[in-house]
Amino acid sequence: EDKVVQSPLSLVVHEGDTVTLNCSYEVTNFRSLLWYKQEKKAPTFLFMLTSSGIEKKSGRLSSILDKKELFSILNITATQTGDSAVYLCAGIYNQGGKLIFGQGTELSVKP
Amino acid sequence: DGGITQSPKYLFRKEGQNVTLSCEQNLNHDAMYWYRQDPGQGLRLIYYSQIVNDFQKGDIAEGYSVSREKKESFPLTVTSAQKNPTAFYLCASSTPGAEETQYFGPGTRLLVL
Repeated sequence: EDKVVQSPLSLVVHEGDTVTLNCSYEVTNFRSLLWYKQEKKAPTFLFMLTSSGIEKKSGRLSSILDKKELFSILNITATQTGDSAVYLCAGIYNQGGKLIFGQGTELSVKP
Repeated sequence: DGGITQSPKYLFRKEGQNVTLSCEQNLNHDAMYWYRQDPGQGLRLIYYSQIVNDFQKGDIAEGYSVSREKKESFPLTVTSAQKNPTAFYLCASSTPGAEETQYFGPGTRLLVL
């Protein structure tokens, strides 16, 4: 059965800390992995990762994919209270375009 | 402005009642999706449609129905057969082959009275 598993499920840190969120996947005919940030409403797109070992960066956020070990990490450096959200990862099937989501990691950044 | 709209924002359902959630997009996307999100869980796919007049069941289709009569619209009906409908429902759309750029609507929160 295809699945995406995220860890930890929740995390509390203080401003300025660095966090690493984990996502492992077992997806038949895997094409890409996506990371989203969700703040109470609709998820917003962060990264798409297709190739192994190539880091994607956007400001304080970065992510990398390991297709051999079937996992991805999302790093957030110098966290701010505005980073508080649920972070979702999802695998895309190669055909049909379906996404399969993990449970999400709820990050809370305290001042 | 291009985007996806969902209505209503909140919806209350009585026992045994069917309710319909609206999803409209003006992005000219062929593909549309419905997801359900429960507390502490990620999004689970209910139904999706790659083209007008065609749709497929997702992972949790039981108790739900959809139609895709127009490209812009993909309404979801929560039937009385869905025994635990309380959840946050998200609609999304994309261009087939570019699913990484799924655009999400603002969501509808369904509560049972």
